[in-house]
Amino acid sequence: QQPVQSPQAVILREGEDAVINCSSSKALYSVHWYRQKHGEAPVFLMILLKGGEQKGHEKISASFNEKKQQSSLYLTASQLSYSGTYFCGTGYSGGSNYKLTFGKGTLLTVNP
Amino acid sequence: DAGITQSPRHKVTETGTPVTLRCHQTENHRYMYWYRQDPGHGLRLIHYSYGVKDTDKGEVSDGYSVSRSKTEDFLLTLESATSSQTSVYFCAISRLLERIDEQFFGPGTRLTVL
Repeated sequence: QQPVQSPQAVILREGEDAVINCSSSKALYSVHWYRQKHGEAPVFLMILLKGGEQKGHEKISASFNEKKQQSSLYLTASQLSYSGTYFCGTGYSGGSNYKLTFGKGTLLTVNP
Repeated sequence: DAGITQSPRHKVTETGTPVTLRCHQTENHRYMYWYRQDPGHGLRLIHYSYGVKDTDKGEVSDGYSVSRSKTEDFLLTLESATSSQTSVYFCAISRLLERIDEQFFGPGTRLTVL
């Protein structure tokens, strides 16, 4: 099953903060976050692994709650360049971490 | 960009015709993937490969086949295209960086089936 992302869309003014959530009904091994601008390919932002290891963009932070099977992406002091659709991709415990299942995306619009 | 190219970048075809999309990588990565992206559905995995001649199905594999005869090329074939296969197709590779595998995407192919 696809992970569920919330909200589906959010509109911010430059400098405001946002949180995007990704929830799964299955036990997670990893969560991968991507941003996609219109007409372009998704771009890797961050990966979080079960056990606490993470790697990603220096200006973006995220959390991974293994018990709740969810991850949150924190966008602080948003810039115009943050606009785009954010996707989470999940790898499942017991399955292959090389196969990801993506959520439907969250559209983030940052206005001046 | 992980050295991934896709061809063609745009294609318009008619229902019932065969179509082959090509993904080419230059960095010798073992894992390669084909996704389709449709409004309201996000990215959905069609097929993936874990080595030359080693492939497996994803969640939306019906109507698609793949082949990988060389490490650098992963082909996606629509044997008889249907209008429901109109979509944007992304190829991806999995790259190990600092002990963590990350997926990187190619530029995409926009396919329209009339």
